[in-house]
Amino acid sequence: DAGVIQSPRHEVTEMGQEVTLRCKPISGHDYLFWYRQTMMRGLELLIYFNNNVPIDDSGMPEDRFSAKMPNASFSTLKIQPSEPRDSAVYFCASREGQGYTGELFFGEGSRLTVL
Amino acid sequence: AQSVTQPDIHITVSEGASLELRCNYSYGATPYLFWYVQSPGQGLQLLLKYFSGDTLVQGIKGFEAEFKRSQSSFNLRKPSVHWSDAAEYFCAVGAGANAGKSTFGDGTTLTVKP
Repeated sequence: DAGVIQSPRHEVTEMGQEVTLRCKPISGHDYLFWYRQTMMRGLELLIYFNNNVPIDDSGMPEDRFSAKMPNASFSTLKIQPSEPRDSAVYFCASREGQGYTGELFFGEGSRLTVL
Repeated sequence: AQSVTQPDIHITVSEGASLELRCNYSYGATPYLFWYVQSPGQGLQLLLKYFSGDTLVQGIKGFEAEFKRSQSSFNLRKPSVHWSDAAEYFCAVGAGANAGKSTFGDGTTLTVKP
């Protein structure tokens, strides 16, 4: 399996622009998670899905952030409009549902810089 | 609510020396416990996990961890550190199959001196 695939790996944009980050989870995994990592706040859970349904979005910073999972093999995290304080590394992770042993499989992350 | 504390933000050890990274958790039932490692520019990778059975678990790269219920701890150890072990290490607690999310500690950055 190719693992969790994220794109783009790096994104540099200007304040006010729309940013879309993409994630392809491991096939067969029922859960998908979006995390944000910064020096100041460490690793933060933004939102997670179970079987394509958002379960907990309490970590989404504000209405500028939205996430979708239209099918089991694809998810997006959108920021509109972007602000410099959104600069961070965004990770997508997935895991199994049934037969749970809990391990999260992380993508390599999308490094976002908002100027 | 579950929580994880990693008391050490940064640890420096000499290559070849032993290592112990501390992790304390708070959770009402038997937890699922994990250690992840993050190398620069990479995502997190699982080192080892505990959810039942033997309280001393072995992981990849020569790491091990011991679950101590009485101390609510799950400390990570390695008898001899290699320069390539320099990375950030995260302890996490997960609540089980139907509980969804895991809770991560703030991480410990390991520096290895030659």
